[in-house]
Amino acid sequence: QVQLQESGPGLVKPSETLSLTCTLSGGSIRSSSYFWGWIRQPPGKGLEWIGSIYYTGNTYYIASLKSRITISVDTSENEFSLNLRSVTAADTAVYFCARFKDITNSFDFWGQGTLVTVSS
Amino acid sequence: SSELTQDPAVSVALGQTVRITCQGDSLRRFYASWYQQKPGQAPVLVMYGKDNRPSGIPDRFSGSSSGNTGSLTITGAQAEDEADYYCKSRDSSGNHYWVFGGGTKLTVL
Repeated sequence: QVQLQESGPGLVKPSETLSLTCTLSGGSIRSSSYFWGWIRQPPGKGLEWIGSIYYTGNTYYIASLKSRITISVDTSENEFSLNLRSVTAADTAVYFCARFKDITNSFDFWGQGTLVTVSS
Repeated sequence: SSELTQDPAVSVALGQTVRITCQGDSLRRFYASWYQQKPGQAPVLVMYGKDNRPSGIPDRFSGSSSGNTGSLTITGAQAEDEADYYCKSRDSSGNHYWVFGGGTKLTVL
């Protein structure tokens, strides 16, 4: 069974870099059928897609974060990562990683999510 | 970027039918996918494409689309269907750029 697990610090100071990793088990991140995405949800608010990556390294970012976000993939470790630079309190959110199935145009498997708080 | 508009809240009596809608220009060309999220949990895909349910999703869930509106219908709503529902479609930035609607909180009375 496919499982995705986010990991990383739960607390980040303002102006620093938020770094999260999503580890895939029960499947291969090198599959040509899938993309891998990050979606976040500020407390009490809705979902926001922030970026995706293909195993080849092709990346897609939401325009509002393009200057601060980097998503990378490590196929040898079967994981992909999110770096968000110069964070502010507005970046406080639950961050989900998810598998995007190209043929259905949908995120069909999600990690449980991890809360990242930006605070000094 | 594109926008998808959802009613913030909808209620339905137990056992009745409810339609949750999502409006946006991108829906004239692309189907929405729908996600159910219960408090403290990750979203779950419940509908994709024209009217396709992932394995394990009850057949009381159905999807449809007309013009700039996509809909998720629950026929015979159950207490366990009470949740937030989000639509997702393609952003105007191009393929592999996505946008979610603001979400609809469904209350089952």
